[in-house]
Amino acid sequence: NAGVMQNPRHLVRRRGQEARLRCSPMKGHSHVYWYRQLPEEGLKFMVYLQKENIIDESGMPKERFSAEFPKEGPSILRIQQVVRGDSAAYFCASSPDVNEQFFGPGTRLTVL
Amino acid sequence: LAKTTQPISMDSYEGQEVNITCSHNNIATNDYITWYQQFPSQGPRFIIQGYKTKVTNEVASLFIPADRKSSTLTLPRVSLSDTAVYYCLVGPAENGQNFVFGPGTRLSVLP
Repeated sequence: NAGVMQNPRHLVRRRGQEARLRCSPMKGHSHVYWYRQLPEEGLKFMVYLQKENIIDESGMPKERFSAEFPKEGPSILRIQQVVRGDSAAYFCASSPDVNEQFFGPGTRLTVL
Repeated sequence: LAKTTQPISMDSYEGQEVNITCSHNNIATNDYITWYQQFPSQGPRFIIQGYKTKVTNEVASLFIPADRKSSTLTLPRVSLSDTAVYYCLVGPAENGQNFVFGPGTRLSVLP
């Protein structure tokens, strides 16, 4: 059973471009969480999704950020019109029916 | 979600036992205590979870006193590869509860 997969591992964007981060949960896991981590800080929750539904997006900025977890395919975190402050590591975690979250390796976004 | 307090950093030497204590004074009745380990440039990795008394696995032990207002993660005989950040989290075991990560404890194991 492969772990949580995230791609790309590193992403460089210029200000104003779009960033799309993908997360493939572990097999059999229908719950996906996205977190953001700034250097030297802990992870900050962004959004929690189940298949095709956003359950809790209280940690996600109201503008420019969106997330989806379609019936087929990976979960996508999309950041439109990126700014330098969006530079961070973005981690995805998946879990089965209980709250044991398994984290992916993260995507490091750098905005130039 | 209950707030946790941990030391910002700790140093240890190879072969020593390391104890990292976490305070969670406002822990709720249905909250569990979970510890994660994070290496640089990697996602957090689950270490251990408990509700009360003592839990032990192949990696660590977790001691939780009767009042559950604190917990202690014990790493027996650490090695250099245990150098990492350790996060203490509290929250219900039901799904849908996002974890609230603090700054964690940065453990440095020295030769």
